[in-house]
Amino acid sequence: AQTVTQSQPEMSVQEAETVTLSCTYDTSESDYYLFWYKQPPSRQMILVIRQEAYKQQNATENRFSVNFQKAAKSFSLKISDSQLGDAAMYFCAYRSDDKIIFGKGTRLHILP
Amino acid sequence: DSGVTQTPKHLITATGQRVTLRCSPRSGDLSVYWYQQSLDQGLQFLIQYYNGEERAKGNILERFSAQQFPDLHSELNLSSLELGDSALYFCASSETSGNLYEQYFGPGTRLTVT
Repeated sequence: AQTVTQSQPEMSVQEAETVTLSCTYDTSESDYYLFWYKQPPSRQMILVIRQEAYKQQNATENRFSVNFQKAAKSFSLKISDSQLGDAAMYFCAYRSDDKIIFGKGTRLHILP
Repeated sequence: DSGVTQTPKHLITATGQRVTLRCSPRSGDLSVYWYQQSLDQGLQFLIQYYNGEERAKGNILERFSAQQFPDLHSELNLSSLELGDSALYFCASSETSGNLYEQYFGPGTRLTVT
């Protein structure tokens, strides 16, 4: 069975600094997608970034980028120039055959 | 605003009762997914419907059931409620089925069982 592990329950970063959130997953499948979702205090689930497993190039969305290491089954999220609005719970997720498996989440605090 | 609507926003009920949560997908989306977010279990996939048919099943209890209607809205029915069913229930929709298509999440329904 697929699993997603986020080993950092909480992290803090100074405003304008860079932070990296870790995620590892386990699967025997070759075709899958990986995602990072943000859940702010409003509880809305917001897609931050996604990565197709067949693509070697790391996905980038403005200040958000990933480091996808397929062989190591690692999928970390880097947030550059952190802003107060980035404070949220971040979930790493694995998707295959329409099922999404989420990690337990990392709560990110932004220090002014 | 994702375009996915869920009603009600909050629901408080007693153990043993039955409730129905409603989800309206984005216009044109054929797939609807249900998720449960609880403190102890985290965020879990429950079930997916595609164009009225059940497509995939996750960790959904037998006390729970869902359906998708011809107008594509979906309902999640929770019966014989227990304290542990207290959670945030999300609905998500996507254009069609398959990994390629992004899932858009609704705002959720917070269920409190007392």
